[in-house]
Amino acid sequence: GAGVSQSPSNKVTEKGKDVELRCDPISGHTALYWYRQSLGQGLEFLIYFQGNSAPDKSGLPSDRFSAERTGGSVSTLTIQRTQQEDSAVYLCASSLVSQETQYFGPGTRLLVL
Amino acid sequence: AQSVAQPEDQVNVAEGNPLTVKCTYSVSGNPYLFWYVQYPNRGLQFLLKYITGDNLVKGSYGFEAEFNKSQTSFHLKKPSALVSDSALYFCAVRDSTGTASKLTFGTGTRLQVTL
Repeated sequence: GAGVSQSPSNKVTEKGKDVELRCDPISGHTALYWYRQSLGQGLEFLIYFQGNSAPDKSGLPSDRFSAERTGGSVSTLTIQRTQQEDSAVYLCASSLVSQETQYFGPGTRLLVL
Repeated sequence: AQSVAQPEDQVNVAEGNPLTVKCTYSVSGNPYLFWYVQYPNRGLQFLLKYITGDNLVKGSYGFEAEFNKSQTSFHLKKPSALVSDSALYFCAVRDSTGTASKLTFGTGTRLQVTL
């Protein structure tokens, strides 16, 4: 079946602009996660959605970052007023339920000039 | 707090030889442990996991990992390496207690398999 998909695959933006990154989880998966992969920082958790519960936002690095998940499926990660240190690969993952194996999408590579 | 250490930035092995990629972890409760592999410009692919039961876990592409509670380790192994195994490998842990579902990843180990 189809895996996790993310769009765009690459995004180049100018410092100060807002960007939106999209994630389509595996059909039927109730849990959705965003991670960031940076050079020198490894993989870090950003935010987690489970069904209709309040999201776990504990990993968001600043209030410029936000995410929503509409209809329990597609999720959008928004970064406002981008900074050069936001340049990274943003990975989305989903799992059938929150305790199960997470499956990752191909990521969106963000470059802030 | 949970953490993972992958002490080797890179592991070099000749094709046909056995390989080991090391991982140690720290959690307050019982661990759920995972290995993922990342090929260039690709997302993470799930290899295997340990939740409970047999300490030796078998996964995709001939990989296996051994859970050792006393040493808090979960080393990834393969009896005979292939050039196509060359990639970046990540170990991850989640605490089985509580409601937190986020994975904490190690910094990754680059595996280089040569002819």
